[in-house]
Order: sequence, then C-alpha cells, then structure tokens
Amino acid sequence: GAVVSQHPSRVICKSGTSVKIECRSLDFQATTMFWYRQFPKQSLMLMATSNEGSKATYEQGVEKDKFLINHASLTLSTLTVTSAHPEDSSFYICSASQDLTLRGYTFGSGTRLTVV
Amino acid sequence: DAKTTQPNSMESNEEEPVHLPCNHSTISGTDYIHWYRQLPSQGPEYVIHGLTSNVNNRMASLAIAEDRKSSTLILHRATLRDAAVYYCILRDRFGNEKLTFGTGTRLTIIP
Repeated sequence: GAVVSQHPSRVICKSGTSVKIECRSLDFQATTMFWYRQFPKQSLMLMATSNEGSKATYEQGVEKDKFLINHASLTLSTLTVTSAHPEDSSFYICSASQDLTLRGYTFGSGTRLTVV
Repeated sequence: DAKTTQPNSMESNEEEPVHLPCNHSTISGTDYIHWYRQLPSQGPEYVIHGLTSNVNNRMASLAIAEDRKSSTLILHRATLRDAAVYYCILRDRFGNEKLTFGTGTRLTIIP
C-alpha cells in the first residue's frame, strides 16, 4: 500500500514551453502533497506544499507564477513549469502521506526535466 | 525543524553490518526521528522512524540514544542494493507536516 505515482518520469522540452507533471496517490487519499526539486549532487529542496481544494503554499524564493500547482482531488496534484528555461532543468519529486504515525511519507519516482 | 548532522559519506563491505550515525543535539521532546534513503535517480524511500525507543522493521533498526541527541540507523547485512544517500530528518509531531532534507550520508557498498 501507500503508492505514489509520478508521471512522466522523463521529459525534454524547448525553452519557453510549459510542462505538466502529475503526482497521484494510488491507494490512499492525500489532502496534502509536497513538491521538491533536486539538482545534481544536491539534496532535495522543498518547493511547495499542495493542499487539496485550496491554494498551494510556496517556500521562500519559489516563484508561484512559474511553478503552478493544482490539487483538485484527494489523489492528484499537478506541477506545471511555465515558460521553462534551461535553469529549470532538474529532478522534480512529489510526496504524500497516508499515515505519518505508521509509514512516514511516500515519494514518487521523480521526473527528470531537461529544458533545451 | 531541528537540524541534523551526518557524515557526508561512508563505505561498507557487502554482507557486513552498517551503522549510520546522526547527531541532533537540538532535538525537542516532540520531534520524531525519521530516516529515508534515496537510490540513484529515484525518489526517496521511507526507511524507519522513532521517538524514544529503539525500532526495528524489515529494512533496518533504529537505535536512539537515551538523551535523544543522536541516533544510529543500522543495516544488519548490507547488500549492493543498499548503496544510496541516507537522510536523517527530525519532524515535530505537532508541527508543520513538511520534511526538510539535509545533505545526508552517501553510502557506498564494496563488493
């Protein structure tokens, strides 16, 4: 149980285009999901907290108009990188929790974004 | 969330036990100690967590110091598949749900 599916696993896009990444909790409902970004050889950096039915909460320094987050249902959160540039190339990872007291957080397998 | 300190890297021989240390001297009474690991090109994977008592599960054991200012993740018999970055994270049980990742320990398993 407690599976988080992230799609796509890898995407290449041209500068100026937008890319949507999906994060689904397959066998549980998640009112809160989290989006992280990871550059090569670095740790995960939290970008935003996605709340079902309300606006996302962004970490300091993360542009909310560039990284659009939608959490329209209890099992799906999406991250859209708008007007992507090469510096947005990174590994994007989502996570959710079914029961923090028992299992901790479950993470998606990540999306490798390359902007050319 | 309180800060944790881990060695940047460690090596271990295959089929031997591995002890991964974590210092968290500013831990509060309501902080849980979480361990996650990240294999190459994958999202992190939950390993184990605890509050005060030592914990065991199918993946590992967590030994927590009596004063809770440090903990050790124990892999009883390392395999090549255990090569990963291991993160020790504190999370307040009553606070914000988000996890803050430090730099972690890169574990290399020597065949």
